[in-house]
This record gives sequence, structure tokens and C-alpha cells, in this order.
Amino acid sequence: AQSVTQLDSQVPVFEEAPVELRCNYSSSVSVYLFWYVQYPNQGLQLLLKYLSGSTLVKGINGFEAEFNKSQTSFHLRKPSVHISDTAEYFCAVSERDSSYKLIFGSGTRLLVRP
Amino acid sequence: DTAVSQTPKYLVTQMGNDKSIKCEQNLGHDTMYWYKQDSKKFLKIMFSYNNKELIINETVPNRFSPKSPDKAHLNLHINSLELGDSAVYFCASSPGFDGYTFGSGTRLTVV
Repeated sequence: AQSVTQLDSQVPVFEEAPVELRCNYSSSVSVYLFWYVQYPNQGLQLLLKYLSGSTLVKGINGFEAEFNKSQTSFHLRKPSVHISDTAEYFCAVSERDSSYKLIFGSGTRLLVRP
Repeated sequence: DTAVSQTPKYLVTQMGNDKSIKCEQNLGHDTMYWYKQDSKKFLKIMFSYNNKELIINETVPNRFSPKSPDKAHLNLHINSLELGDSAVYFCASSPGFDGYTFGSGTRLTVV
């Protein structure tokens, strides 16, 4: 069964600094990978996804992620963060079967300080 | 137009009551889901329906019963509510492997 690990529960960073949020997954089959963002008291919004092709994926709000199959990782990066990026970020994996079930990591809270 | 809408947004109820949460999507997606987010923000899938057919039923107490009258609607009925049912419940839909669209959530508080 697949699983997702987000080792950092909280990442504090200063405004305009770069950030990397780490995500590792475990699965015995090929997977699709996703990053979602959740702002306070809101639902989840899709940031970016890896389905196939280029391992570097660009998403909304200046975020990007790189799929590394050998390290089973899908880390999220942004070169310069804003106060408005403060939110909870979730990595998720879906195995390439017919159920399209998304398994989420435990989330990383990105806290951007002025 | 909201793509995935849930009602109500907030629900406060007493232990032992029965309550329902409704979900509707206007995206034309075939598959809909219910997720539970606990107080530690952990998200866990509960159910999934594909074109009105139940395809995922995780280890969820029998007190929870999903109902899908058509592929645009997926409701969640909860009997005999317990304190531990307090959480945020999210509805989502997807066209397949392309990722989900989530509703804004229903915060259920059992007192």
C-alpha cells in the first residue's frame, strides 16, 4: 500500500527567502503525485501535479516540484516566498489503478515571517 | 459558480443525534469522494463513488452512510454522532487521475 511522508511539520522562513518542503512516498507501482495548499478555514487547492513526462513540474503561485524516482521524492520549492504563502501544504500520491484514491501526507505548515 | 459545494459549512450538534452533509459538483466529473480531516490536519479518505457506484469504502464505522442519488451529488449521513466524529469533512470530485477538486469543507462539532 502506498504512503506519503512529510518529515517537516512546520517550516518557518523569512519573506523573500527560498523554501523547500520535503515529500517522500512509498509504493510498489507507478504513481501520480500532487501538492495541495490549504489556507486557514478553506478547502484544498491544487498547486501542481506530476502525471508523466518531465520530472520538473511548475505550478501556480511560482511553486515547482521535482519528481525523483530513485529517491521516491517529490519536493516542493519556491525561490522567493511571500507572507501570503503562509498555509498548510499537503503532498499526495495516487497509484495508477482505477480507484484514483489519493493518499495524503501529514502536511507541512509554511510560516512566512516579515 | 462554485465547482464543488458542501452544505452546511458549520454543524454543531449533540451526541447521539443524526445529521447529514450534502455535496454537489457541477464539473461533470464521474467520481466523488468524502475525506475526513482531524484536529491534527490529517486527511483520510472515507468513501468514493464512481457514477453512483461505491468503489472505495475504507474502515469507517457503520454509522456513516454515503448516498449518491446521481453522479453530481454525494451526501454523507451520520447516525448516533459521537464526540470523536468532530472533524472537518471534505467532499471532492475528479475526472480520473488528474487530481481532485475539493469543496470548502463542513466543520462538524459534536458536543
